Amino acid sequence: KQEVTQIPAALSVPEGENLVLNCSFTDSAIYNLQWFRQDPGKGLTSLLLIQSSQREQTSGRLNASLDKSSGRSTLYIAASQPGDSATYLCAVRRRGGSEKLVFGKGTKLTVNP
Amino acid sequence: DVKVTQSSRYLVKRTGEKVFLECVQDMDHENMFWYRQDPGLGLRLIYFSYDVKMKEKGDIPEGYSVSREKKERFSLILESASTNQTSMYLCASSLSPALGPQHFGDGTRLSIL
Repeated sequence: KQEVTQIPAALSVPEGENLVLNCSFTDSAIYNLQWFRQDPGKGLTSLLLIQSSQREQTSGRLNASLDKSSGRSTLYIAASQPGDSATYLCAVRRRGGSEKLVFGKGTKLTVNP
Repeated sequence: DVKVTQSSRYLVKRTGEKVFLECVQDMDHENMFWYRQDPGLGLRLIYFSYDVKMKEKGDIPEGYSVSREKKERFSLILESASTNQTSMYLCASSLSPALGPQHFGDGTRLSIL
């Protein structure tokens, strides 16, 4: 059974700092991995999607990497801003015919001005 | 631009009522999903649909049913609402095969009194 873990559960950093969020998964047989952002009381916003054949994806100040063999992904946020404060979730789509995603429980990020 | 619309942001119902949550997407996506999100438990998949009139149980289908009569609309039904169904409900959609991202609506905060 695929399990996705995100550590730490919460992170607080000063504005301007570069930071890394971690995601690990137990079964390397995945199609892709997706990073989301969730603001309080809102839905999820897709940030980056990495296919299993890719090593990384970039969008603006965000860079996500994928190491399937070790079951790890990282989300790197450069020059953090207070507006980056949110909960970040990762999810994997496992191989085997199902369209389902398996989610981690998220890392709550606070960027202090 | 991608759009998943949930009919209500907040909903209050009484135990025993039949409750309908509606979700509409305008992207011609084959796959649609219903999740619930609870503190400490993360996102859990209730049901998903990969085509019109097709559905598949997720991880926690008990107490719920779904309907997909048209491609763009996916309804979640609580047959007889109970207090333990108080939660945040999130709808999502994706193309098939789901090598692309899942897109989420803003969520419905449902309270059962």
